[in-house]
This record gives sequence, C-alpha cells and structure tokens, in this order.
Amino acid sequence: EIVLTQSPTTMTASPGEKVTITCRASSSVSYMHWYQQKPGASPKPWIYETSKLASGVPDRFSGSGSGTSYSLTINNMEAEDAATYYCQQWNYPYTFGAGTKLELK
Amino acid sequence: QVTLKESGPGILQPSQTLSLTCTFSGFSLSTYGMGVGWIRQPSGKGLEWLANIWWDDDKYYNPSLKNRLTISKDTSNNQAFLKITNVDTADTATYYCARITTNFDYWGQGVMVTVSS
Repeated sequence: EIVLTQSPTTMTASPGEKVTITCRASSSVSYMHWYQQKPGASPKPWIYETSKLASGVPDRFSGSGSGTSYSLTINNMEAEDAATYYCQQWNYPYTFGAGTKLELK
Repeated sequence: QVTLKESGPGILQPSQTLSLTCTFSGFSLSTYGMGVGWIRQPSGKGLEWLANIWWDDDKYYNPSLKNRLTISKDTSNNQAFLKITNVDTADTATYYCARITTNFDYWGQGVMVTVSS
C-alpha cells in the first residue's frame, strides 16, 4: 500500500498569499489527484492527473510533481479557498493523504 | 447531468451486515471505462477508499477490509451496491459513492451510518 504524507497538516494564509501543500508518496506513482472538502459537504474533484484543473476550479490553483513528490499551489489565496485538501494516488489499493486544513488568516 | 445518491440503514448493531445502495443518473455503468467507487469518512477524519466496480464487472477492494466487502451493480437500474459484513463501531462513518473516469469525478452527498449496540 502506498502511503501519502501531506504537509502541513494545518495552515493559515492571508488573502493574496501564495499557498503550497505537498504530498509525498511512499513509492513512485504516475500522477496525483486532489480533492477539496468543506465542512458538511462531499469532497470535490479539484486537480486530476497531477496538473489538470477540474471543471470550475479557478486558475489561481495549480498542481505539479512527479514520482514521489507532488504539490498543490494557490496563487493569491482567497477566502473561498479555505477548506481541507486531500491528495489521492491511483494505484490499487487507492489511498488518500490525511488532509491539509487551510484556514483564512 | 451526473448525480449520485447513497442510501443505507442509518444505524445498525455490531456484527450485522451493512448494505449500501448508490443510485445514479447521467451515465451508464455499461459504458466502456466507467466505474463507481465507495469511499468512507469517519466524522472529523480523513477519507478511506473501500471498493470499485467497473463497466466490465471488474472489482477491486481495499485489502484491509477485503474479506468483509462485496461490491456489485445493477446496470439496468443504474445502481451500485456495497455490503460490509460483521460491522463494528469502527465502521461508523459517512459513506460516499463516486463515479470513476480518470478520478472520482462526481460524488454523492454521502450517507451517515452509525454502528451502535
């Protein structure tokens, strides 16, 4: 089983700030998916296949990485971006990172 | 428009079998490349993948629960099912079904399941 380690676990960011969330895999994976979840809601697909933005995701978001190291970046943090973000790898058995809770400062 | 909706018993007792149904619309599980997965989330915790079923009836399970899981589908009625046997309090969670293409691209609203004596 591939273990995904996200960092940081929690963070706060001010409006306009650049945010980077990292996801490290215990073994190399071909790509990474990311999901956004807000309290009381289902997870939403956010970034798929490492760098492709899901429908409706603002272009201030980007994803990158390869092998065992991946990241989600927000350029110019906005209030609506406060949420928990999960990475997920697509080799069986699928696994998720533990999540990064991003709060607005 | 793709939608998925989970349904389940709400509450059940330890050692019972949990039966979940995912009723979907806007796609067909007989379409090449399509799949449905089940994911759960205990309150305040992270996401755990449980099982997938694909258009060709291929099935994959989380090995940590494999002996307790059975996934199936009814293509004609646009439904997917998950059974978990011998539940205990650790199975208390919100259970989601999601459509699979390149990722889990559409999710249901989730159904809360509580295991309690």
